[in-house]
Amino acid sequence: DAGVIQSPRHEVTEMGQEVTLRCKPISGHDYLFWYRQTMMRGLELLIYFNNNVPIDDSGMPEDRFSAKMPNASFSTLKIQPSEPRDSAVYFCASSFGTSEGNTEAFFGQGTRLTVV
Amino acid sequence: DAKTTQPNSMESNEEEPVHLPCNHSTISGTDYIHWYRQLPSQGPEYVIHGLTSNVNNRMASLAIAEDRKSSTLILHRATLRDAAVYYCILRDLGDDKIIFGKGTRLHILP
Repeated sequence: DAGVIQSPRHEVTEMGQEVTLRCKPISGHDYLFWYRQTMMRGLELLIYFNNNVPIDDSGMPEDRFSAKMPNASFSTLKIQPSEPRDSAVYFCASSFGTSEGNTEAFFGQGTRLTVV
Repeated sequence: DAKTTQPNSMESNEEEPVHLPCNHSTISGTDYIHWYRQLPSQGPEYVIHGLTSNVNNRMASLAIAEDRKSSTLILHRATLRDAAVYYCILRDLGDDKIIFGKGTRLHILP
């Protein structure tokens, strides 16, 4: 498996524009996580899915952020409209759950978003 | 969520062992101790985890105190490629989430 695949790797956009980040989890994993990382706030969990269903979106900063998982092999994180303070590295991760709890999470390479 | 406390940064010499400490005095009986690390410009990667007994794998060893209120990640022979931020995380058996703290930034001196 190629691991968790995120696209694009870099995105530069103007304030007010819509931004869509994409993630392909590892095949067979039933959990998908979206994180945001900044120098000030570190790694923050935004939302996670189990079997394509959002379980906890309490980390989503505001209504401008939305995430979907239409099938087991694809997820998107959308920001509309984008603002300069959304500039960060966004990571997607996946794992699978067992009767003894979740296994380790595998992270993608991240998408570096810059909003100017 | 139970908290962990780690030093902000540490230095070590190349080819020497490194002991990264983590305090978790409020750990509960079902909390697993997980370690992840994040190399520069990469996503975090899993290192090791344990519950009560010490654990070894190809990357590192995890030494857990008898009262489980602290643990130590041991890199047996550090290389320059081990320079990273190391995160100590408590994860309850039934918890799906991984919540990261600030971690320890490890510098390796050649």
